[in-house]
Amino acid sequence: GENVEQHPSTLSVQEGDSAVIKCTYSDSASNYFPWYKQELGKGPQLIIDIRSNVGEKKDQRIAVTLNKTAKHFSLHITETQPEDSAVYFCAASIGYSTLTFGKGTMLLVSP
Amino acid sequence: DVKVTQSSRYLVKRTGEKVFLECVQDMDHENMFWYRQDPGLGLRLIYFSYDVKMKEKGDIPEGYSVSREKKERFSLILESASTNQTSMYLCASSLLGLAGTDTQYFGPGTRLTVL
Repeated sequence: GENVEQHPSTLSVQEGDSAVIKCTYSDSASNYFPWYKQELGKGPQLIIDIRSNVGEKKDQRIAVTLNKTAKHFSLHITETQPEDSAVYFCAASIGYSTLTFGKGTMLLVSP
Repeated sequence: DVKVTQSSRYLVKRTGEKVFLECVQDMDHENMFWYRQDPGLGLRLIYFSYDVKMKEKGDIPEGYSVSREKKERFSLILESASTNQTSMYLCASSLLGLAGTDTQYFGPGTRLTVL
């Protein structure tokens, strides 16, 4: 089955800096790659996703890039703010099947 | 807004007890999921259901069963709770996928402690 590796496991940045979280996947047939944000005490929430026919997608301060050849995708957060502090999960799926999640990255943004 | 609710935020049970975790969604979603979340292991799929009375095993179904008698409700059952089932349990729901979206909507989680 699909295997998703996520790095780093923890990331500390200063407010205003950029943060990058990287994921690799194993199954070249995967075609949907969402990113979820989990704030303390809450369930994960989708923040952005990308499909395999697109190389990059941006939504305000967050962007996701996909390299199908290398089988990796990344989340980029610019101008980080303290409210960006959370655990971020990447995931991958084939078609409309179930998601396989990475192990998560705890992002801490210090004021 | 989609709302996924879970019956308890915190639950403490004894080894060997039968435990029911309930999940309800209000958006007429076809798919429902149960995950467990453990530090350093991320989210792991236990079971999912794509229709009433239908269920499919996920990656870690051992020791668990599920029930989906109504479209909006998906229950996770621990037949005989063990200490290694102490974890955060997350329920999620999503559209069937025909609308072109796979977004999963999560509940707030139930933190289960088995003593």
